[in-house]
Amino acid sequence: DAGVIQSPRHEVTEMGQEVTLRCKPISGHDYLFWYRQTMMRGLELLIYFNNNVPIDDSGMPEDRFSAKMPNASFSTLKIQPSEPRDSAVYFCASSLPRGRTGELFFGEGSRLTVL
Amino acid sequence: AQRVTQPEKLLSVFKGAPVELKCNYSYSGSPELFWYVQYSRQRLQLLLRHISRESIKGFTADLNKGETSFHLKKPFAQEEDSAMYYCALSGHAGTALIFGKGTTLSVSS
Repeated sequence: DAGVIQSPRHEVTEMGQEVTLRCKPISGHDYLFWYRQTMMRGLELLIYFNNNVPIDDSGMPEDRFSAKMPNASFSTLKIQPSEPRDSAVYFCASSLPRGRTGELFFGEGSRLTVL
Repeated sequence: AQRVTQPEKLLSVFKGAPVELKCNYSYSGSPELFWYVQYSRQRLQLLLRHISRESIKGFTADLNKGETSFHLKKPFAQEEDSAMYYCALSGHAGTALIFGKGTTLSVSS
């Protein structure tokens, strides 16, 4: 397994543009998480899914952010419209149910720069 | 509310010196605690978890419920230990990990 796959690896866009980040979790994993990493705030949980259903989206900063998981092998995080303060590295991670391993497997991240 | 505090953004030590990365948490129940590590140009990955009571790459961490701490320790730091370290907490089954802000460990010769 190639692990969690994220795309794009790097995105540079202008304020006001729509940004879509993509994630393919490890096959067989029931949980999918989106985190955002910044120098100031560290690693923040944005939203997570269990069996494609959003469980907790309280970390999503604003209505400009939305996330979907249409099937077990794909998820998107969308920012519309984007703002410079959204610049960060966005990580996707997947896991089996915590009762089994408790380990998150992270993708390589998508580095977003909003000018 | 669940919270993880890592008070040091940067910790610089010399090779062979002892290392202690501090982590304090806030949680009303019995949490699970983890340390994750991100080496340069690598993915964030699990280093160790408190329930395993294991030593990984010479690192250990003991959960102190009285002090609500889970400090990461290594008696003799190596240059290859240089990385970003995150402490993380998980509450009841099915909830997401909450991470601290991370500590960058820099080991120089």
